[in-house]
Amino acid sequence: DTGVSQDPRHKITKRGQNVTFRCDPISEHNRLYWYRQTLGQGPEFLTYFQNEAQLEKSRLLSDRFSAERPKGSFSTLEIQRTEQGDSAMYLCASSLEQGFTEAFFGQGTRLTVV
Amino acid sequence: SQQGEEDPQALSIQEGENATMNCSYKTSINNLQWYRQNSGRGLVHLILIRSNEREKHSGRLRVTLDTSKKSSSLLITASRAADTASYFCATVRLAGGGADGLTFGKGTHLIIQP
Repeated sequence: DTGVSQDPRHKITKRGQNVTFRCDPISEHNRLYWYRQTLGQGPEFLTYFQNEAQLEKSRLLSDRFSAERPKGSFSTLEIQRTEQGDSAMYLCASSLEQGFTEAFFGQGTRLTVV
Repeated sequence: SQQGEEDPQALSIQEGENATMNCSYKTSINNLQWYRQNSGRGLVHLILIRSNEREKHSGRLRVTLDTSKKSSSLLITASRAADTASYFCATVRLAGGGADGLTFGKGTHLIIQP
């Protein structure tokens, strides 16, 4: 399978714990996006990378959230000191830079904070 | 924040009928894209229309774009039960108009009655 993969698919954590999600984009894609989606809503933009550079970070992304893409390939999204309001589906997508082409999404990581 | 607003929020039609969804956005764009999401799954790209295009077709899909009104419509002809899903428009802003991440609306939930 050469699509976007996310790991884990599901994560249940206790409030106050840290969690880290991984995204492996399509190999030739240099853009990588993170979104958060709650039930009945559209994906909310969190951040995106062009290669290893983080080009934009939403104001939704509090200082408890951090994302990295150290070698311009896979990316990680870490949430520190999780809160119940962090419960959501976290989606990763990748695309080619040139021509602002379509984004290909992974299946998402569903986070439940209890 | 979300750039696009889809209308209606929910739509229920009979199989075989045509479904029309609308999207309005706020800033100048490079292109506008439509995605489909089946329940609990990742998003799938349907069609992309660039700011210098007015209409585009792909199979049973027809997309229009009116940049003067900052609006787009998605028409699905001869609907099928398998078209039941949420549909989102997403915009890529013009370079220099702020960062150009892909920003989604809140979606239209389409139900096709057999």
